[in-house]
Amino acid sequence: DTAVSQTPKYLVTQMGNDKSIKCEQNLGHDTMYWYKQDSKKFLKIMFSYNNKELIINETVPNRFSPKSPDKAHLNLHINSLELGDSAVYFCASSRRVAGELFFGEGSRLTVL
Amino acid sequence: AQTVTQSQPEMSVQEAETVTLSCTYDTSESDYYLFWYKQPPSRQMILVIRQEAYKQQNATENRFSVNFQKAAKSFSLKISDSQLGDAAMYFCACLQGGSEKLVFGKGMKLTVNP
Repeated sequence: DTAVSQTPKYLVTQMGNDKSIKCEQNLGHDTMYWYKQDSKKFLKIMFSYNNKELIINETVPNRFSPKSPDKAHLNLHINSLELGDSAVYFCASSRRVAGELFFGEGSRLTVL
Repeated sequence: AQTVTQSQPEMSVQEAETVTLSCTYDTSESDYYLFWYKQPPSRQMILVIRQEAYKQQNATENRFSVNFQKAAKSFSLKISDSQLGDAAMYFCACLQGGSEKLVFGKGMKLTVNP
């Protein structure tokens, strides 16, 4: 059973398109995250939700809009994709044990 | 805001030997946590070990142990009896108490030679 699952795992699209990445966790965790890993492997937090409520929004362009329909799901929608959006996007969740994140396998987004 | 620095971008070790990965951090808080995460070629990030700043005893998980030097703000990871499966990117990370924002270092690529 996959604990944190993301779909799709790979996404290739043209500049200007809109795309979504979905994330689901079956661990019963209250907190979920989106992280971005760039081509140099640098990981940076984008958003965090606790029980469907946004608690971290880390100066991400407003073309990125997270949505949490319930505490088990956190989706990421990206409008008007740009070349610089190419990266691996990781979803993660955590218990209330600080910093112990369970990551999904990542979604590699390539913008052409 | 906290920062995490991993100054060695790459290291290699012979199978069965010991290797130490270095990490320094900076935070203004007295309540914080430190972590090492591993990212194998499969891409999924996996927690290796965790250290609470208030604990003086160094954390240990099987072949993985840390050397936590609070005054020096240093948090190194020692891998004993290295195995081929240890080959991965290793990320040091810091979390301030009461925050959900885990800050990662730039990572270090570990190669294990047979």
